[in-house]
Amino acid sequence: EAQVTQNPRYLITVTGKKLTVTCSQNMNHEYMSWYRQDPGLGLRQIYYSMNVEVTDKGDVPEGYKVSRKEKRNFPLILESPSPNQTSLYFCASSFGLEAFFGQGTRLTVV
Amino acid sequence: ILNVEQSPQSLHVQEGDSTNFTCSFPSSNFYALHWYRWETAKSPEALFVMTLNGDEKKKGRISATLNTKEGYSYLYIKGSQPEDSATYLCAQSNDYKLSFGAGTTVTVRA
Repeated sequence: EAQVTQNPRYLITVTGKKLTVTCSQNMNHEYMSWYRQDPGLGLRQIYYSMNVEVTDKGDVPEGYKVSRKEKRNFPLILESPSPNQTSLYFCASSFGLEAFFGQGTRLTVV
Repeated sequence: ILNVEQSPQSLHVQEGDSTNFTCSFPSSNFYALHWYRWETAKSPEALFVMTLNGDEKKKGRISATLNTKEGYSYLYIKGSQPEDSATYLCAQSNDYKLSFGAGTTVTVRA
């Protein structure tokens, strides 16, 4: 089954404690991206990757890092999380015009 | 950043009634317009991708139209059912990058 898998689904952490949210896709897509969803703001792109070792900033990259060492994986790294990064995060992979989304990771930073 | 706007932010529909709502986007440099259906705790699910002015797409009771010259798209739900309750997201894409509106949340009352 074609899918995008994110882990964890839910995470509560404390300010400053580094964390990684994993994203994996099994469709051999070259393009992957991360979004955050906040009430009233829609989905905003954090980072994207056009292929292995090729990443670039989206609209709201501050406080985040990504890596793309393999085509299937695109982890999102928060080196020093802060409360304003409390949000719902989605990973997506794309081929052509169609994007497939993971089920989301709800992150709370206290 | 593409400025995609959706209205209304939310609406309540009686079961069996039909409804529609709007997505507006910059008409210059248009590439594609996407509609997604997003249920809480699930992944956003692609409904339609439209690229040509005048495009009309239909999936069951849901349909969409596209006007690229004036920069808007309508989504229609005919004979709303409780299972249509969801947030409907539209997004404009340039190449692979999706820029989302804030969504229209539809609640269908039995």
